Amino acid sequence: SQQGEEDPQALSIQEGENATMNCSYKTSINNLQWYRQNSGRGLVHLILIRSNEREKHSGRLRVTLDTSKKSSSLLITASRAADTASYFCATDAGNYGQNFVFGPGTRLSVLP
Amino acid sequence: EAGVVQSPRYKIIEKKQPVAFWCNPISGHNTLYWYRQNLGQGPELLIRYENEEAVDDSQLPKDRFSAERLKGVDSTLKIQPAELGDSAVYLCASSLVGAYQETQYFGPGTRLLVL
Repeated sequence: SQQGEEDPQALSIQEGENATMNCSYKTSINNLQWYRQNSGRGLVHLILIRSNEREKHSGRLRVTLDTSKKSSSLLITASRAADTASYFCATDAGNYGQNFVFGPGTRLSVLP
Repeated sequence: EAGVVQSPRYKIIEKKQPVAFWCNPISGHNTLYWYRQNLGQGPELLIRYENEEAVDDSQLPKDRFSAERLKGVDSTLKIQPAELGDSAVYLCASSLVGAYQETQYFGPGTRLLVL
């Protein structure tokens, strides 16, 4: 069963614009992670946010976490064509060492 | 440092044939994961190893799938016999699990096509 669900399923923007994608989950968590997957490749870890954190930054990425709403958002600022990929959130089920469950992903297309 | 290595990268077989995938995790990573990813979906966990012990294989279809990690390093995932619905990308990931060390590092995957 899926713990996290990304929204929207697909997103198309112009280069230079910001891209925002959301993740909603069902049960309480310790951590939430965002991963990127380029076509035909494995997943690459982007950022991890813990349940006691509200916001984290990494370069052009900003992740927020609202545990009261059981949701997270990933913002990519000043997008580039190279950001074209699928983005997945992964959530644990509240126990350290527990498996992370991936959502179906958001497919982002950044048009030059 | 080398990443997670998987082979083969692509495999085409006929249904009812056996197939095996190999994974070598990042050196020193104690935890290894096998995932299946269907087209347009996120990865779904098949099995998780901590060292040589399978600590979660609840999603592994045990009638046809098997896995091993004999020395707690590399791992093999086998399907016998393969069915049409097994066509997917099989991803291997590894991590150094401990407090605050849950990042998973993924290999490029093996794309399986069952005809």
